[in-house]
Amino acid sequence: SQTIHQWPATLVQPVGSPLSLECTVEGTSNPNLYWYRQAAGRGLQLLFYSVGIGQISSEVPQNLSASRPQDRQFILSSKKLLLSDSGFYLCAWSQLAGKQFFGPGTRLTVL
Amino acid sequence: AQRVTQPEKLLSVFKGAPVELKCNYSYSGSPELFWYVQYSRQRLQLLLRHISRESIKGFTADLNKGETSFHLKKPFAQEEDSAMYYCAPLLSAGGYQKVTFGTGTKLQVIP
Repeated sequence: SQTIHQWPATLVQPVGSPLSLECTVEGTSNPNLYWYRQAAGRGLQLLFYSVGIGQISSEVPQNLSASRPQDRQFILSSKKLLLSDSGFYLCAWSQLAGKQFFGPGTRLTVL
Repeated sequence: AQRVTQPEKLLSVFKGAPVELKCNYSYSGSPELFWYVQYSRQRLQLLLRHISRESIKGFTADLNKGETSFHLKKPFAQEEDSAMYYCAPLLSAGGYQKVTFGTGTKLQVIP
């Protein structure tokens, strides 16, 4: 069966520090991969979308970047965190458009 | 612009009362529509999709193309239905399809 992992579960970082959040998928190949930010009152905001290794689409201008070094690995990064980067970050995968499977999420607090 | 609107941030109903979570979308084509749910301390997960015409946990959702709505309904609410619900149409943008999540509605079922 397919599973999706995210780590860390929670992270507290100072402003200006780098960020690396990792997401891995097991049990499937060539999935579509997604990074979302979930904020109260703002729903789920799609940050990045990937259809294959090295193929990243950025949905909104921001301080973050994403990479897909392997088929089932998706990384969310930042060189210098801002206070506004605080939030709950969700990784998801799909094979069929629309039916997505979500990871447990990472709670990021930037101080 | 293509968007999805969930007008209610919080909906409180008594146990046994009918539930209707509203969702409206603006889209020129015929989107495929989904409802996702997130129970407390659980992952966001797919609840149902309109093309399946299914009833999951007593919930149904009918696509009304005239009103561009995809409201989620249940005749008798249960306490375990308390959760965050997201309407998510599959829309075309930038040459590919992507799921666009609404801002979500928190359903609170009062015992």
